[in-house]
Amino acid sequence: DTAVSQTPKYLVTQMGNDKSIKCEQNLGHDTMYWYKQDSKKFLKIMFSYNNKELIINETVPNRFSPKSPDKAHLNLHINSLELGDSAVYFCASSHSAGGLNKETQYFGPGTRLLVL
Amino acid sequence: KNQVEQSPQSLIILEGKNCTLQCNYTVSPFSNLRWYKQDTGRGPVSLTIMTFSENTKSNGRYTATLDADTKQSSLHITASQLSDSASYICVAGVNGSSYDKVIFGPGTSLSVIP
Repeated sequence: DTAVSQTPKYLVTQMGNDKSIKCEQNLGHDTMYWYKQDSKKFLKIMFSYNNKELIINETVPNRFSPKSPDKAHLNLHINSLELGDSAVYFCASSHSAGGLNKETQYFGPGTRLLVL
Repeated sequence: KNQVEQSPQSLIILEGKNCTLQCNYTVSPFSNLRWYKQDTGRGPVSLTIMTFSENTKSNGRYTATLDADTKQSSLHITASQLSDSASYICVAGVNGSSYDKVIFGPGTSLSVIP
């Protein structure tokens, strides 16, 4: 009965590879997000989708491409992985897109990506 | 530059004791202030949220305060329990022109020991 789930939990890969992280929420929420938590523990928004439509796209390299097949899923594909991509990636969801700073977001457990 | 700072960086307290975590924010235009608890290996969980007109908000043993004039917030934990061991993250909400933003602080790592 996990609310927001992510797979895989751990991902270790070589530089230059392409990888995907999957996220699913069973809360019936309309809006989903991807965050990156760096080594200094700062969380930063990357993308947000509302009902499969991209509504937030922060300054992120275009090697990162989110895909939302339906409003319950938001996957993150990363091309040509670099060392600096190593981080913990969190998926989150909220009831609606009433404002990133107003809606309570529910976070997944995170995917720990290590690029060697 | 929008920024959130937290202190202390880490804290160790004995079970049953109280503690207070601090947050200073420099964001504009300010919308609200939220505290999250992040257990090790888990995603953050929202504890409290306050708009600029609210001074205090409680959630069980957690009480957050907000001083919008000095741009400071604190999170007070009463009668700490071992399960309170976690990182506590202060987040400032910013009203944006195209979309709103949230600025996360680096967190305070709290360890509660028996």
